[in-house]
Amino acid sequence: QSALTQPRSVSGSPGQSVTISCTGTSSDVGAYDYVSWYQQHPGKAPKLMIYDVSKRPSGVPDRFSGSNSGNTASLTISGLQAEDEADYYCCSYAGSWVFGGGTRLTVL
Amino acid sequence: EVQLVQSGAEVKKPGESLKISCKISGYTFTSYWIGWVRQMPGKGLEWMGIIYAGDSDTRYSPSFQGQVIISVDKSSNTAHLQWSSLKASDTAMYYCARLGGLPQWFGDLVSFGTANWFDPWGQGTLVTVSS
Repeated sequence: QSALTQPRSVSGSPGQSVTISCTGTSSDVGAYDYVSWYQQHPGKAPKLMIYDVSKRPSGVPDRFSGSNSGNTASLTISGLQAEDEADYYCCSYAGSWVFGGGTRLTVL
Repeated sequence: EVQLVQSGAEVKKPGESLKISCKISGYTFTSYWIGWVRQMPGKGLEWMGIIYAGDSDTRYSPSFQGQVIISVDKSSNTAHLQWSSLKASDTAMYYCARLGGLPQWFGDLVSFGTANWFDPWGQGTLVTVSS
């Protein structure tokens, strides 16, 4: 499996919404609803934000939402806050796990 | 509270061996699968492999098969990642993480669809390999 494709960076102002895309193939992202998203602040371990495309773990704000269309999954963060500034990684399971290259979110 | 606590940073020379650990608490150790993820300096996450703590069933990413060994010690609720001969290119942060759910078995085949996410994660172990 090749790494999933994410934009290297996105940005938004506080209060705005941003969407991070994660493009795979019809064999992974497009085949199963097994996409998860992780937030990683500098020097910290990744943290699960979304699983099974759109499910939020307990404790994750409902400002974070996930969706899937064809071979592309998306993470949307609404009402941007300063603490959302981090790297975000998507991950797809299709027999094995593959991560995206990561997206740096900057809150302007 | 589920916790994964990893061993401390290591500095090694090329050719040396190394075994790092991930001590687990807060749940029945033998009920879940544990994964390992590599993050090279300034780079993204790479899945290395997973192991079932109940019977040590291990699955490796093709990229890491034969390069590392993943194991568990049920007596100490600890998962391990080890190298027999380190290379400079092994310099990275290594994370352990628990699979978030329980997989389904279909005879001898396992599907991780119901357990495909990683949560929670250990704090990471930085491995530096330099002469």
